[in-house]
Amino acid sequence: DAKTTQPNSMESNEEEPVHLPCNHSTISGTDYIHWYRQLPSQGPEYVIHGLTSNVNNRMASLAIAEDRKSSTLILHRATLRDAAVYYCILQNDFGNEKLTFGTGTRLTIIP
Amino acid sequence: DTGVSQNPRHKITKRGQNVTFRCDPISEHNRLYWYRQTLGQGPEFLTYFQNEAQLEKSRLLSDRFSAERPKGSFSTLEIQRTEQGDSAMYLCASSLMQGGEQPQHFGDGTRLSIL
Repeated sequence: DAKTTQPNSMESNEEEPVHLPCNHSTISGTDYIHWYRQLPSQGPEYVIHGLTSNVNNRMASLAIAEDRKSSTLILHRATLRDAAVYYCILQNDFGNEKLTFGTGTRLTIIP
Repeated sequence: DTGVSQNPRHKITKRGQNVTFRCDPISEHNRLYWYRQTLGQGPEFLTYFQNEAQLEKSRLLSDRFSAERPKGSFSTLEIQRTEQGDSAMYLCASSLMQGGEQPQHFGDGTRLSIL
C-alpha cells in the first residue's frame, strides 16, 4: 500500500485557518487522496477526497501539489469542534478495498 | 441516510467469554468493512464483504474471530474465547461500491474491554 507521512500533532488558534500537510511521494496515478477525521469517542468521518485538482466542500478544501506527491487539507476557519485526529489516506481505484490508516495528525484548537 | 449503526456501544466481559457485535450499514451500501482500533493508533483493517460474500480477511483476524453478513444486510463479528489483547474499539464501515472515489462511512464503534 502506498504510504503517507503526516506530522504527529499541530495546534491552531480558534477562528484562524489551518493547513494540515501530507506527503505521499510513492503515490500512483490511480490513487485518490482521501482525508478522514476522528473526533474523540467517535468513528472516523470522511472529510474530502481528490485525484489531481484542488477540491472544495462544505467542510474543507484540499490542495494537491502539481506532482501529486503532497497535499494539504485546509480548514478555513477552525472551531473547537475541529479538534480531532486527521488522517490522510491513499485509496486506489483498482486495488485494495481496505483503508490503511497511519497515526494521523492530532489537531488541537486553542480558544 | 441514517448512518452506520453499531451495537452495543460498550461491552465488558471476562476473559474466555464469547462476544458478538452487530453492524447495520447504510441501507443501499453493498460493501461492509470491519476495523479494529487500539489506543493511540489508527484503525486496522480486519475484513470486508461485498453483499454477503466475505472477500478479504486480514492476518489480524485469528481463528477465534468470525464475521458474517447474511443476506447482504447487517453484519456480525464474533470473538470466541476472548483474550486481554482483544480489548479495542471495533469499527464498522460501509460504502456504495468499488472504486477509489468511494468514501467509507463509519459507525461509532463498539468498545470491548476484557477483564
